[in-house]
Amino acid sequence: AQKITQTQPGMFVQEKEAVTLDCTYDTSDPSYGLFWYKQPSSGEMIFLIYQGSYDQQNATEGRYSLNFQKARKSANLVISASQLGDSAMYFCAMREGLGDSWGKFQFGAGTQVVVTP
Amino acid sequence: SAVISQKPSRDICQRGTSLTIQCQVDSQVTMMFWYRQQPGQSLTLIATANQGSEATYESGFVIDKFPISRPNLTFSTLTVSNMSPEDSSIYLCSVEARGVNYGYTFGSGTRLTVV
Repeated sequence: AQKITQTQPGMFVQEKEAVTLDCTYDTSDPSYGLFWYKQPSSGEMIFLIYQGSYDQQNATEGRYSLNFQKARKSANLVISASQLGDSAMYFCAMREGLGDSWGKFQFGAGTQVVVTP
Repeated sequence: SAVISQKPSRDICQRGTSLTIQCQVDSQVTMMFWYRQQPGQSLTLIATANQGSEATYESGFVIDKFPISRPNLTFSTLTVSNMSPEDSSIYLCSVEARGVNYGYTFGSGTRLTVV
């Protein structure tokens, strides 16, 4: 069964505007981590942000923030003040377990973001 | 975080041939992971490579098609054998990241086109 769902296959956003990328997940493990990765057209995978299931605060990294709604099993990525260089595919991912018992990564289908001038 | 050098970055190969992809890590790591990303798709784990033992393959992937070597704690290769156009994909290696990021560090990827 699909554990990570990204319902937006593609989005257009204007430069300098904020964009929210949706991600919902499914797990019965109380311990898990949620991740967002960016994949430009060059193909590399770039880590953006991490949220642990026990973290009380929403994670932030510069222009990236993660809107973590645990009860809804939602982990949306917010990119503020979009830049042309933000055009890329964005993947939400999850790992169950913690510490020495981390499980394998499970990736969503991805959302293609195109930033327009 | 670890730095991974992955080669080649891209290649165009004839069907029926094989391609070996190399990943070199700047520090010793226990496990290395190999992923395939077919066009327009998400990442799919091919196998986990431990030094000194045979790689562990995921369902749908077999050693004859994707042999993996792991001669030491900093290096691994993935070979795509007897290629067909369906093997055209991005192949990525990755390792556990260090520090507070509990994710993976990825190589830069190998974009393979089979003609």
